[in-house]
Amino acid sequence: QKEVEQDPGPLSVPEGAIVSLNCTYSNSAFQYFMWYRQYSRKGPELLMYTYSSGNKEDGRFTAQVDKSSKYISLFIRDSQPSDSATYLCAMSADSWGKLQFGAGTQVVVTP
Amino acid sequence: EAQVTQNPRYLITVTGKKLTVTCSQNMNHEYMSWYRQDPGLGLRQIYYSMNVEVTDKGDVPEGYKVSRKEKRNFPLILESPSPNQTSLYFCASSLRADTEAFFGQGTRLTVV
Repeated sequence: QKEVEQDPGPLSVPEGAIVSLNCTYSNSAFQYFMWYRQYSRKGPELLMYTYSSGNKEDGRFTAQVDKSSKYISLFIRDSQPSDSATYLCAMSADSWGKLQFGAGTQVVVTP
Repeated sequence: EAQVTQNPRYLITVTGKKLTVTCSQNMNHEYMSWYRQDPGLGLRQIYYSMNVEVTDKGDVPEGYKVSRKEKRNFPLILESPSPNQTSLYFCASSLRADTEAFFGQGTRLTVV
């Protein structure tokens, strides 16, 4: 079983809709949680970063972490066609160990 | 400009012919990693390095070698490439594993 599970999609939504993405994980030691966005033929770029449990909001993006359920989420409000990309969750247990990525969810926002 | 530079961007090679993919960063980062990205499997960490001369295996290290002789460079070596190493490879650097990782543009490797 993978340490980080993420539905690969694709997830297709109309412009303006809310996009909901999530990852589950098995390692209870994870405490640093990140979401990366990857456009086609590009390297991933950091979108959101959360330490431990709780919510974080940045513009149209909200990241949630529920450590008790080993579940993290990313919400994109008022989605735009430019949000079409693959979204990868990533997490680590400490500052100097492995960084584990999910498989990535492909999101398509249609005009 | 802060960046991670990988070379080459594209490479087609034959089974068994040793190759090196270079990675260089100009941000003075301690932590560097190599990943391979395959459809449906996401990014899988091959090796990572916490600093000069300090490296450790990631999740898929078999068939790969790395070295970290200088802080800025972290080459990936395939001593005897095989077709199952055909993949998209990314190098990344960050201050630590728990901070933002900056990725290179990727190297698409095909082993025939």
